[in-house]
Amino acid sequence: DVVLTQTPPTLSATIGQSVSISCRSSQSLLDSDGDTYLNWLLQRPGQSPQLLIYSVSNLESGVPNRFSGSGSETDFTLKISGVEAEDLGVYYCMQATHAPLTFGGGTKLELK
Amino acid sequence: EVQLVESGGGLVQPGRSLKLSCAASGFTFSNYGMHWIRQAPTKGLEWVASISPSGGSTYYRDSVKGRFTISRDNAKSTLYLQMDSLRSEDTATYYCATPGFAYWGQGTLVTVSS
Repeated sequence: DVVLTQTPPTLSATIGQSVSISCRSSQSLLDSDGDTYLNWLLQRPGQSPQLLIYSVSNLESGVPNRFSGSGSETDFTLKISGVEAEDLGVYYCMQATHAPLTFGGGTKLELK
Repeated sequence: EVQLVESGGGLVQPGRSLKLSCAASGFTFSNYGMHWIRQAPTKGLEWVASISPSGGSTYYRDSVKGRFTISRDNAKSTLYLQMDSLRSEDTATYYCATPGFAYWGQGTLVTVSS
């Protein structure tokens, strides 16, 4: 199975600060169809996960553009340009290139 | 508006069975494959099973193969997860999700304990 390693496990930020989360894959996530199926999700406390970014860098509809994704092959990054209070929670990367689907261990974003 | 509503969770003894349902609305259910994802208390997300739009193809994680069965009723726009021979390690909140994971249900908690 593909292992996704997220760092850091915990991130403390102040409102307005820009932060980045890394997701490293044990295998290339570039699919034979040319797409890279690496998504980012946010799970706020007590809520279901919410899709933020799909296929590395595509912003899901309704998601603020302070969120951005980048990367390729095995190294991916989620950046939040100016953290807001509603951004607190646990961020997960996930891959759908290789079966079975797998998720990273999560990065908890807290207020400093 | 897309809605996914899970039901059927609860407290069950080890070795017993439980059947989860996920009622879908707001999209043409029969056109899309669906997923079950679970999350053990205070833990991360784990894919459980997936099913094709027709129901003809199903996929499971190794730890539930032979014990869980994913199915669907396209006439009722409902996804199911039949869980047999339940173990304590199956304790989790179970979510249904659409392809691409743009939509998730609110989850239903399954607790396996004597």
